[in-house]
Order: sequence, then C-alpha cells, then structure tokens
Amino acid sequence: QQPVQSPQAVILREGEDAVINCSSSKALYSVHWYRQKHGEAPVFLMILLKGGEQKGHEKISASFNEKKQQSSLYLTASQLSYSGTYFCGTPSASTGNQFYFGTGTSLTVIP
Amino acid sequence: GAVVSQHPSRVICKSGTSVKIECRSLDFQATTMFWYRQFPKQSLMLMATSNEGSKATYEQGVEKDKFLINHASLTLSTLTVTSAHPEDSSFYICSASMPGGLKTQYFGPGTRLLVL
Repeated sequence: QQPVQSPQAVILREGEDAVINCSSSKALYSVHWYRQKHGEAPVFLMILLKGGEQKGHEKISASFNEKKQQSSLYLTASQLSYSGTYFCGTPSASTGNQFYFGTGTSLTVIP
Repeated sequence: GAVVSQHPSRVICKSGTSVKIECRSLDFQATTMFWYRQFPKQSLMLMATSNEGSKATYEQGVEKDKFLINHASLTLSTLTVTSAHPEDSSFYICSASMPGGLKTQYFGPGTRLLVL
C-alpha cells in the first residue's frame, strides 16, 4: 500500500530546483504532501484532489496524474528552509479510512 | 486552527513496563485518529486507525494486545504500549483528521519512547 518515492535523497545548492516523485501501485484518489524536519512531526503542504490537478504554494508546487498513479512535487529556487524529508501520502484506495505515507525523500539545501 | 497535542513528548521506561501516550485535538472534533511509528531515517508506518466509540483497525503485523488504542471521545485517543521492550523504542506520532472526505492529517508533535 505504501507509495514509493524517488529520489531517496537529494542535495541542492540554494537557488536550485528539485523534483520529487511519488508513485503508487494502487489507484490514487487524492495525494497529500508533507515535510518533516528532523525530530519534528510532519507538516502539511498541500493536497491534490483530482487527476491533472496542479497546486502551488509559493515556490513549491505539485501535480497529480491520476492515470499514471503518480504525483510530483516541484521545488523551485530552493531555500535553506526547504531542507527536510518530504512525504507523499494517500488514503487507502479500498476503504478510504486508512492513510499511508510514501517512502520519503530527504532533501538537503546547502549554501 | 487544527492543533493536535501529544503527551508525553519523551519517555524513558524499563523493559516490561507499560507506557500510555495521549493524543488530543484541541480545536476541532476528530472523527478519525491515526497512530504511526517512525524509526530513524524511515517513513511513518501506520499502526492503527481509530474512530471515536469503535474498535481500532490495526495494520497487518501490529499486535493489538500489545498496542492498546482507546478513542473515548472526539478529541482524545490514547495508545498504551504494554510490556514494552527495547525493540519498541521509536518515535510515535498521532494525527487527527476532520470530518469530511479530505483526510488531511494534522499531526501531534510526537512521543519519543526509549525502553531500557
């Protein structure tokens, strides 16, 4: 049930762009994105509700391809504060009651 | 809004003892609460989903007799780790979602459990 994310880890210099992918073997009806700083709880970034939807939050945006069962998170002109581990998450396709997080992508932005 | 508290934030206990972790939604009624466990440098693994007034739904491989979950009200869920052992040491995080279909997770700050 757990979505797979790629890459597992990425190191960027300030100002560079990154793409994080989230892929599921099961149908996705919605995709959530979260960021977790070390030792802290995850923080909600955005939710995508239907196929083809794109959303943006400052310089962080995401797309959702329902047919391909994939979502991608785009970070442009990265800032030091973007460092952390990014998780996609999705409700269970069968029951809708459980919630599963992806494998995670560690992002480190260096000066 | 959408604040979730978790207590305690950190606990150290001896092997064989039980530990109770509380999760509260402070400014909304949570129809569903989730309990996750996270080992270092790994993802959050769902342990169980609980709805107020009903039995929790445990994920495969999670012992329901070891990890007791009680969801007595719309704002409080508790996780009790019974007869804790060193391998139970982990970061336990609860989350709550509001009524409706979006299932957006609002997380508590987590509880770091160390079993000696």
